[in-house]
Amino acid sequence: SQQGEEDPQALSIQEGENATMNCSYKTSINNLQWYRQNSGRGLVHLILIRSNEREKHSGRLRVTLDTSKKSSSLLITASRAADTASYFCATVPYSGNTPLVFGKGTRLSVIA
Amino acid sequence: DTGVSQDPRHKITKRGQNVTFRCDPISEHNRLYWYRQTLGQGPEFLTYFQNEAQLEKSRLLSDRFSAERPKGSFSTLEIQRTEQGDSAMYLCASSNQRDTYNLVLTFGAGSRLTVL
Repeated sequence: SQQGEEDPQALSIQEGENATMNCSYKTSINNLQWYRQNSGRGLVHLILIRSNEREKHSGRLRVTLDTSKKSSSLLITASRAADTASYFCATVPYSGNTPLVFGKGTRLSVIA
Repeated sequence: DTGVSQDPRHKITKRGQNVTFRCDPISEHNRLYWYRQTLGQGPEFLTYFQNEAQLEKSRLLSDRFSAERPKGSFSTLEIQRTEQGDSAMYLCASSNQRDTYNLVLTFGAGSRLTVL
């Protein structure tokens, strides 16, 4: 089963614009993570935000977490063509021993 | 260490044949995970190991699927009597489970299975 649901399913923007992707989840979590996947490749970890954090930054990435709404957002600022990929949110359920549960992803296309 | 390695990268087989995928995790990682990903979907968890112990296998899709990690290092995922619905990308990942609450997975490039 997949806990997270990303929105939108697909997003197309011009280079230099900001891209915002949202994720909703169902159960209590320890942390929420975002991963990136280039076409036909494995996933790469981008950023982790703990359940007691509200916002986190890493380079051009900004992640927010609202545990009361069970939602998170990933903002990529000043997007580049190389940011074209699928982005997945993943949650670690509160039990702590359950592996990451992934959403269906947002496919981002950045047009040069 | 070059990360998580998976072999083969692409396997084409006929329906009814058995296939086996191998995963070599990062050497200092004690946990190893298998996920399946179909087109347009996120990874779906199958099973995972801590050292050689298989801690969760109820998510394996059917009794045709089995996984082993005999010496706590590399792992194999076998699919017997393949069906066309088994066509997917099979992803392996590993992690260092010393930090339970900051679990981060390192993925391999995946093994793509095509069943004709």
